[in-house]
Amino acid sequence: DGGITQSPKYLFRKEGQNVTLSCEQNLNHDAMYWYRQDPGQGLRLIYYSQIVNDFQKGDIAEGYSVSREKKESFPLTVTSAQKNPTAFYLCASSMWRGMPESPLHFGNGTRLTVT
Amino acid sequence: AQSVTQLDSQVPVFEEAPVELRCNYSSSVSVYLFWYVQYPNQGLQLLLKYLSGSTLVKGINGFEAEFNKSQTSFHLRKPSVHISDTAEYFCAVSFNDMRFGAGTRLTVKP
Repeated sequence: DGGITQSPKYLFRKEGQNVTLSCEQNLNHDAMYWYRQDPGQGLRLIYYSQIVNDFQKGDIAEGYSVSREKKESFPLTVTSAQKNPTAFYLCASSMWRGMPESPLHFGNGTRLTVT
Repeated sequence: AQSVTQLDSQVPVFEEAPVELRCNYSSSVSVYLFWYVQYPNQGLQLLLKYLSGSTLVKGINGFEAEFNKSQTSFHLRKPSVHISDTAEYFCAVSFNDMRFGAGTRLTVKP
């Protein structure tokens, strides 16, 4: 079955450490996205990528970085510069960003706790 | 810019009762509208979408939604809920990017 795999499901880190969240898809989708979810705030877009080796900042990119070296993979690094990193992180994909009628497909998320 | 407002943050209902989750959107252009469901500690799943045509859209698990252009609304309904419908529901609008509402937590009580 095609889908999006996020790992790990739970992640614990000490303040000041960088951490990388994995996202892999086998849907052959061109566009991939990272969202952050906090209680009562819905989903906020961190970064998106339309094609390999290209990515753009979303609404809350500060303190985060991404790469897109392969079509299937879009890892997110939460750096020590992110002031409030504890959250639920969701990776998503769609066929192509230029198709607004195309729904997003989501992974099952990674819950990051930084203490 | 497009935006979405979900009018209720929490909706408690009894099993087998009808439910309506309200969503209003703001946009100066035609957009596409979606409802997603999220079960605890999982990602979002597509319930239904409105692209064009009939204003009444049917989705999975017995849910349906009605697009009302004059009221800029896209409310989600189910005539009889089950315990298993307990989840968080997100309304979303798509033009260049997908914009989500803050979510409505539906709790179905026995």
